[in-house]
Amino acid sequence: DVKVTQSSRYLVKRTGEKVFLECVQDMDHENMFWYRQDPGLGLRLIYFSYDVKMKEKGDIPEGYSVSREKKERFSLILESASTNQTSMYLCATNRVAYGYTFGSGTRLTVV
Amino acid sequence: GIQVEQSPPDLILQEGANSTLRCNFSDSVNNLQWFHQNPWGQLINLFYIPSGTKQNGRLSATTVATERYSLLYISSSQTTDSGVYFCAVDQTGANNLFFGTGTRLTVIP
Repeated sequence: DVKVTQSSRYLVKRTGEKVFLECVQDMDHENMFWYRQDPGLGLRLIYFSYDVKMKEKGDIPEGYSVSREKKERFSLILESASTNQTSMYLCATNRVAYGYTFGSGTRLTVV
Repeated sequence: GIQVEQSPPDLILQEGANSTLRCNFSDSVNNLQWFHQNPWGQLINLFYIPSGTKQNGRLSATTVATERYSLLYISSSQTTDSGVYFCAVDQTGANNLFFGTGTRLTVIP
């Protein structure tokens, strides 16, 4: 089974801090994704990457950046955290004919 | 974009009961998956089922792609089945997974 590991389950950060959310997958999949989930808004795509050093903006990229230096690792960066970025963040990977696999999620609170 | 509708929005069951969850989608899809989100927020993949029928223990799913719907069957429900069930689809070239609004299932002992 594909395993997608997110480094933190819960995180509390202060407004203005630079925040790194890490995601690692162990199945050599090309595609990796970052979503955020908010009550009433569902899951929304922030960024995805289809290869090392390649990235594409999703539906809500503002205030975020990403890094993919190695195939197995996809990082989401909040350049200057704000309270409206308090959310559940979910990383995923996918492969054709296999579907998407999600990590366990990171609940980020910005105070 | 593609619309994904799930019904019912909420479902309360007595332990041991059976249920059927439905997912309708508005356009042809490349992929359809059913997920269970547990109380801790983890999205667990139940089925990858763009067409046909699959079974896994007490759960089974059927997708009729030509009629643009999918059904998830839960038999002999247990309290651990509680949570939110999502249907999600993607389309060729979309690089995104579109989620329905979910069905919140509560199984009471």
